[in-house]
Formats: sequence, structure tokens, C-alpha cells
Amino acid sequence: DVVMTQSPLSLPVTLGQPASISCRSSQGLVYSDGNTYLNWFQQRPGQSPRRLIYQVSKRDSGVPDRFSGSGSGTDFTLEITRVEAEDVAVYYCMQGTHWPYTFGQGTKLEI
Amino acid sequence: QVQLQQSGPGLVKPSQTLSLTCAISGDSVSSSRTTWAWIRQSPSRGLEWLGRTYYKSTWYKDYAVSVKSRIIIDPDTSKNHFSLQLHSVTPEDTAVYYCARDLHGARSFDIWGQGTMVTVSS
Repeated sequence: DVVMTQSPLSLPVTLGQPASISCRSSQGLVYSDGNTYLNWFQQRPGQSPRRLIYQVSKRDSGVPDRFSGSGSGTDFTLEITRVEAEDVAVYYCMQGTHWPYTFGQGTKLEI
Repeated sequence: QVQLQQSGPGLVKPSQTLSLTCAISGDSVSSSRTTWAWIRQSPSRGLEWLGRTYYKSTWYKDYAVSVKSRIIIDPDTSKNHFSLQLHSVTPEDTAVYYCARDLHGARSFDIWGQGTMVTVSS
């Protein structure tokens, strides 16, 4: 199975400041159709995961534009331009290129 | 608006069967555009995909190697839901269980159920 490794596992931030989370895969994530199926999820306390980003950089409907995804190959990043209080959550990357889909271990964003 | 509503017991005894149901509204379990999956989350194993079912002229089911000998995922077209059965459970199966939707071609999970905390204990 493809191993997804996130860093850091804990990220203390200041409101209004930027934040960045890294995700590395043990194999390249370019699928046979040319797309890269790397996703980012947000899980607030007591809630189900919510998808923020799919195919590396495409934001889901309703996701604030302060969230952005980038990367290629095996290295990917989720960035928040200015952290708000509602962003306190655990963030997970997930690859959908290789079967079975696999998740990173999560990064806890703390104010 | 697509919603997934989970139901099932929160406590299961060791060696017994864990059974959960995921009711779909706003979509169809037999849609050719969708795959329906079960995922669980525990402190020790993180988020773990367990299996999926989908319809493309016939029903398909795929299971994670870690649970393949103990798991059944079944669709029910009359009730528009799909179910999870995990047999011979142990305390290691204690987790929050989620159902989720994967649109064909998206290779991702865009809609999730509310989650069910299942504890395996006597």
C-alpha cells in the first residue's frame, strides 16, 4: 500500500498568520489518465471528515479561498493564507491513485 | 443535496458481528456514477478504508486485505442503502465507522456519513 506521510503532526499557529502542511507519498501519484489524485480533508472536533481539495489543487464548493493545494509527484502541500479560529481541526491528505486509497496520519492545527 | 445517514449499534461483544447501515438520500445506491464505501477511524490505525460496492451492469465489491476474510458490504436497492457486516470482531475493531461516496472518476470521498462509534467489549 502507498504510505502517506504528513508533517508536522502538530502545528501551533497564530490567528491571521499563514500555515502550511506537507504530505509525501511513498510512490508517485500520477494516474494512468494523467491526473494526480491527491486530496485534503478537514476534520473538526466531533465531526466527519470534509473534503477541501481534490486533484491536488481543486477546491470543493464552499471552501474558502484561503485554502490552497499544490505539489506534484510525491510531494504535496496544503496552505492556509490567514488562519481563522474555525480552521482548528485535524487535516488529512489522501491518495486515490493507487488501490487501496490511503490516508496520512493527520496534522492537528492548534491556535 | 446528497446525504448519508448511518444507523446501527454502538456496542458489540467480542466474536460477534458488527452491523451498520448507510441510508442514501439524493442519490442512488445503484447509480453507475458512484461507489459506496466504508471507512473506519481509530487512534491506533488512523483512517482506514475497509471496502466498497458499486454497480456497473452487475454488482462489484472490493475489500481491504486486513479484513477481507471477515467483511461483507451489501447494497439494498429497495431501501436505497448499503450495509457493513464485520464478523468475529475483537477489541481491535473498536473505531468510528463512516460510510462515504466516491464519484466514479473522482477517486475521492466527497460525501461522508455522520460516523458511528462502535465499541467492541463484553
